[in-house]
Amino acid sequence: SQQGEEDPQALSIQEGENATMNCSYKTSINNLQWYRQNSGRGLVHLILIRSNEREKHSGRLRVTLDTSKKSSSLLITASRAADTASYFCATALTPTQGGSEKLVFGKGTKLTVNP
Amino acid sequence: GAGVSQTPSNKVTEKGKYVELRCDPISGHTALYWYRQSLGQGPEFLIYFQGTGAADDSGLPNDRFFAVRPEGSVSTLKIQRTERGDSAVYLCASSLTDNTEAFFGQGTRLTVV
Repeated sequence: SQQGEEDPQALSIQEGENATMNCSYKTSINNLQWYRQNSGRGLVHLILIRSNEREKHSGRLRVTLDTSKKSSSLLITASRAADTASYFCATALTPTQGGSEKLVFGKGTKLTVNP
Repeated sequence: GAGVSQTPSNKVTEKGKYVELRCDPISGHTALYWYRQSLGQGPEFLIYFQGTGAADDSGLPNDRFFAVRPEGSVSTLKIQRTERGDSAVYLCASSLTDNTEAFFGQGTRLTVV
């Protein structure tokens, strides 16, 4: 089963606008990561935020984490057509009762940035 | 190599046949993951290795699926008696340790006809 749920499932915006994607998860985590995927093949790591962090920036990306609400958001500012891709959140779980720190992905948000 | 390498990139096999999918992780990465992804879905966790041992194989769908990493580097995902429902892109990723960013290969697209 999948731990994270991204929202919305699909998002279409104009170039220059900001894009916000949300992720909710269910169990305790060590960290939460965002990945990008083009054309259904390899995923590219974007940013990692640890459970004791609340906000992180990388270029045009801003990620927030609210562990009390078990949610995260990814903001892409000043979007470009090249940002068109699917975006996934992945949670690195806290091992409990013999479980592992496996990385579990959500279903993703498909972002389309129109030129 | 510079990145995670998966071979073959595409594999077409007949129902009932045996297939092996190979993953060469980034040198020095101790953690290795296998995922399966169907069209429009997120990567579905299959198995995770820490070194040579499978730390978590809870995602393997049934006993037709098996994976090994005998020397703590290259891993092979093995599927016996393939079924049409096994058709998907199989993704491999490695990371330096637990709880760090994962680097993905380009995947193997498996088609069972």
